Amino acid sequence: QVQLQQWGAGMLKPSETLSLTCDISGASLSGYFWSWIRQAPGKGLEWIGVINHSGSINYTPSLRSRVTISLDKSKNQFSLKLSSLTAADTAVYYCARGGGLFVGKENSHFDYWGQGTPVTVSS
Amino acid sequence: DIVMIQSPDSLAVSLGERANFSCRSSQNLLFKSNNQNSLAWYQQRPGQPPKLLISWSSTRQSGVPDRFSGSGSGTDFTFTISSVQAGDVAIYYCQQYYTPPFTFGQGTKLEI
Repeated sequence: QVQLQQWGAGMLKPSETLSLTCDISGASLSGYFWSWIRQAPGKGLEWIGVINHSGSINYTPSLRSRVTISLDKSKNQFSLKLSSLTAADTAVYYCARGGGLFVGKENSHFDYWGQGTPVTVSS
Repeated sequence: DIVMIQSPDSLAVSLGERANFSCRSSQNLLFKSNNQNSLAWYQQRPGQPPKLLISWSSTRQSGVPDRFSGSGSGTDFTFTISSVQAGDVAIYYCQQYYTPPFTFGQGTKLEI
């Protein structure tokens, strides 16, 4: 049974950096892509970026200058950092298994999701 | 970026009725090398993360009731609930994984 458990600070101020971690149980980092996705209040889903077991990454262009996704193989975890926060970054952030790096049949749907972390950016 | 447009924005049906959801992509999602469409459907209930129902346009995930189905190819896709149950109240999203950045439709809200 694959489970993703995520955690991180939920209340942040403008200009601060968001930091979230996703712990993977029931699966190895190897052979899969691991993504972060967010959902602003009352809005749809926005893909943030992806990492694979080798540490190769791809970010959505609109957030590329502020996003860092990394992994810790020893702990079977991957993480998200988003800097220079504004109120527009207020959202529920999800980790998920799936994604891809390029156009290709290796890309995959998001089959397992974390429970979500509500993040509020306010002064 | 590939734009995903869903219709309608909301859908009200009676219990036991059929519900049809439409999704259109701005680019062809068919991989000719494997003849598969990189299109998924998700169900999101309030306060919950999305749940994957359908992948590759028409492949139902394990444990998903067979009253949920998907079809379509290229740029036009349909998701159907053959007999709506009370527990199906949710927002349904389509999503392309043909190429990053991976994009979702705006969602269709199903009401009873």
